[in-house]
Amino acid sequence: DAGVTQSPTHLIKTRGQQVTLRCSPKSGHDTVSWYQQALGQGPQFIFQYYEEEERQRGNFPDRFSGHQFPNYSSELNVNALLLGDSALYLCASSPGADTQYFGPGTRLTVL
Amino acid sequence: AQRVTQPEKLLSVFKGAPVELKCNYSYSGSPELFWYVQYSRQRLQLLLRHISRESIKGFTADLNKGETSFHLKKPFAQEEDSAMYYCALRKTGNQFYFGTGTSLTVIP
Repeated sequence: DAGVTQSPTHLIKTRGQQVTLRCSPKSGHDTVSWYQQALGQGPQFIFQYYEEEERQRGNFPDRFSGHQFPNYSSELNVNALLLGDSALYLCASSPGADTQYFGPGTRLTVL
Repeated sequence: AQRVTQPEKLLSVFKGAPVELKCNYSYSGSPELFWYVQYSRQRLQLLLRHISRESIKGFTADLNKGETSFHLKKPFAQEEDSAMYYCALRKTGNQFYFGTGTSLTVIP
């Protein structure tokens, strides 16, 4: 088991564009959470998906949306990118409400 | 509102010295606290959780509800302990709140 995987590793976009980040959970995990980690900060919770539905959401605008597929993999979409969206985006998976395992992250740079 | 505070961004100790990484929290409910660690060029990983009351790699942490603290301690620091440490609080529904992290450097 490769654990939680994320793609791509790095991404560069310009303001106003849209981006999609992908996450494959650890085998046997059905819950996926997304976090944004700005430079020098701790991870901030964006939202969590379980059974293909958004179950919890942090304090992020509607420009941030997501999806979970039947195989439990997940996507994070961000529309109308702003410079401030530049960050490391982390995906974490868990078997329900148990311990979360983190992926390596996707580094997004918005120019 | 819930909040996790790690007052030290940087902490340096000599090898063999005791180390304490501070964490304070505010939460109106019953908190569940965690420590996560990130070694250089590795992903964030769980170090310990307060409900398990276990010692991992010599680290311990006790939840003090009176002082709303969950400090991480180790009696004798090792060079391999150099890493970024994050304190986190789990809210009902598996939503985590992280502190800003403390970068620990153990000096040989």
